[in-house]
Amino acid sequence: KAGVTQTPRYLIKTRGQQVTLSCSPISGHRSVSWYQQTPGQGLQFLFEYFSETQRNKGNFPGRFSGRQFSNSRSEMNVSTLELGDSALYLCASSLIGLANTGELFFGEGSRLTVL
Amino acid sequence: KQEVTQIPAALSVPEGENLVLNCSFTDSAIYNLQWFRQDPGKGLTSLLLIQSSQREQTSGRLNASLDKSSGRSTLYIAASQPGDSATYLCAVKGSQGNLIFGKGTKLSVKP
Repeated sequence: KAGVTQTPRYLIKTRGQQVTLSCSPISGHRSVSWYQQTPGQGLQFLFEYFSETQRNKGNFPGRFSGRQFSNSRSEMNVSTLELGDSALYLCASSLIGLANTGELFFGEGSRLTVL
Repeated sequence: KQEVTQIPAALSVPEGENLVLNCSFTDSAIYNLQWFRQDPGKGLTSLLLIQSSQREQTSGRLNASLDKSSGRSTLYIAASQPGDSATYLCAVKGSQGNLIFGKGTKLSVKP
């Protein structure tokens, strides 16, 4: 059974650009959540999508957005990139939503470097 | 606001030693607690999930306990091996559904 797949694995952007990251959850999983990991702040919750609807959102500016498609694949977008957006972006999928007691399974992450 | 703390931040032990990693949280109203392992530059691997109604979970050489009333969880690793070297993270799922992570404990097991 394939795990959570994130693409691209590595990317470099410059300030002011935008970026789109993709996440394909484990087959059958309907919940996808996104996290930002930095050395200083650790892992921080961005948002969760369940059945194409955003159900939870962390404390990030509106430049961070996401969506989920009918096949449960999810994308997150960061517009007007800042140096501080450099981070490892992790996606996790769960059979049921975060509001329930589902176990989370993480992808390998997308490492974004903003120059 | 839920806060999760992991102590120590780093730990170095000789191979074969039994060890305990600690995780504490400030709000006892949690749905579950999950322990993860992260290798450098990689994603997170789920180790153990403890539901709020459970006291402990075991998988192989790993045993995790949960004491909601005191806001604490421990991860016990028996007979440590160099391959156990990684960062161990605990995360609690709170009332809003999102996971709150600790900063992790970086474990180094020396051969």
